[in-house]
Amino acid sequence: GAVVSQHPSRVICKSGTSVKIECRSLDFQATTMFWYRQFPKKSLMLMATSNEGSKATYEQGVEKDKFLINHASLTLSTLTVTSAHPEDSSFYICSAFRDRGMNTEAFFGQGTRLTVV
Amino acid sequence: GESVGLHLPTLSVQEGDNSIINCAYSNSASDYFIWYKQESGKGPQFIIDIRSNMDKRQGQRVTVLLNKTVKHLSLQIAATQPGDSAVYFCAENPGYSSASKIIFGSGTRLSIRP
Repeated sequence: GAVVSQHPSRVICKSGTSVKIECRSLDFQATTMFWYRQFPKKSLMLMATSNEGSKATYEQGVEKDKFLINHASLTLSTLTVTSAHPEDSSFYICSAFRDRGMNTEAFFGQGTRLTVV
Repeated sequence: GESVGLHLPTLSVQEGDNSIINCAYSNSASDYFIWYKQESGKGPQFIIDIRSNMDKRQGQRVTVLLNKTVKHLSLQIAATQPGDSAVYFCAENPGYSSASKIIFGSGTRLSIRP
């Protein structure tokens, strides 16, 4: 079946540095990908919609200059957490839709655990 | 509005019994609903979905019920097994196109008693 892969699965970075997370659709093209953030014991909260070839659409309250999204190809979207701080520590998850005729199905990556120290 | 969960309630079930997990959604315009299973440290895994023109759909050991009148979803798991232990999320997709978002509802942690 279709697979969405994230890299890295875990990252530890120092406060003030930036970290990039990659999301790839491995066997299908995705013009749209989504980025979520999940705090411990909480639900997934949609951060932004990543659009191939155009600017990302951010949800209310999400800082676009803090969370830079680039969707440079039909199989890759990246999320860069800039000037990371400890409160940015979280589990980041991406998803992509695959069209299958009359149906679409969302596939999720395995998530990236970011720890800012 | 968006139905975003604020905390994770827990459902404890005896192994072999049936589990029923409930979810309320807020967007009456949503036409597609999905249940996901999330194990610790992993991304959500698709379980079953249902469109708004249906009120029941069955899969292998799982059944989803949709009550649009009261905006309520439930997931029934038959003969619950230890491998079913996870957090379960309902989610809604307000549109049919691939550009539509999936908005997650509040999750429920399912724990299995031996």
